[in-house]
Amino acid sequence: QVQLQQWGARLLKPSETLSLTCGVNGGSFNGYYWSWIRQPPGKGLEWIGEINHSRSTNYNPSLKSRVTISIHTSKNQFSLKLTSVTAADTAVYYCARGNGSGSPRGIHFDYWGQGTLVPVSS
Amino acid sequence: QSVLTQPPSASGTPGQRVTISCSGSSSNIGINYIYWYQQLPGTAPKLLIYRTNQRPSGVPDRFSGSKSGTSASLAISGLRSEDEADYYCAAWDDSLSGRVFGGGTKLTVL
Repeated sequence: QVQLQQWGARLLKPSETLSLTCGVNGGSFNGYYWSWIRQPPGKGLEWIGEINHSRSTNYNPSLKSRVTISIHTSKNQFSLKLTSVTAADTAVYYCARGNGSGSPRGIHFDYWGQGTLVPVSS
Repeated sequence: QSVLTQPPSASGTPGQRVTISCSGSSSNIGINYIYWYQQLPGTAPKLLIYRTNQRPSGVPDRFSGSKSGTSASLAISGLRSEDEADYYCAAWDDSLSGRVFGGGTKLTVL
């Protein structure tokens, strides 16, 4: 059974950098897209970006200038960094496994982390 | 403003069939697969439908997905109280070179 366990900084101040890591237990680490998705309180889902084991990345154009997703295959972990946060970045952040065909078009999220609420407040 | 448009709410009575729509464009729904996720309160989303009309193992056949042109639909038949949740559609968008979600539909079972 695949499990995603995420951890990282919680309360942030504006202009700080958000850092989260997601550890993957069970199943292969290769052959998937490892993704980050967020959900502001009371709002819908927003895709942040993803990386595969070859370190190929795709990012949400609206966040691309502030986002870095990296992968640590030896540890079965991947990480998210979001710079210069503001109150608008307050959200529950989820890591997820993207599964499907080799093309990003055919990817669905079949396993999710538990979610981490990251408030941004001065 | 989400790239994919869903009605904010839907409702039905137990046993009824309800449909949730998802409207997009030629760069997303028109040419790519649709995915549907169910999110119960306080939990992570769960995959409900993949590749437009495929159900993962464990998802009841009461749930079905379809697509026509630049719109997609999720149908839930034999509505049950435990179906009360938020539902999101998703797709890859070729113009954005990224994934997009609908704004979500809150389903209430009356």
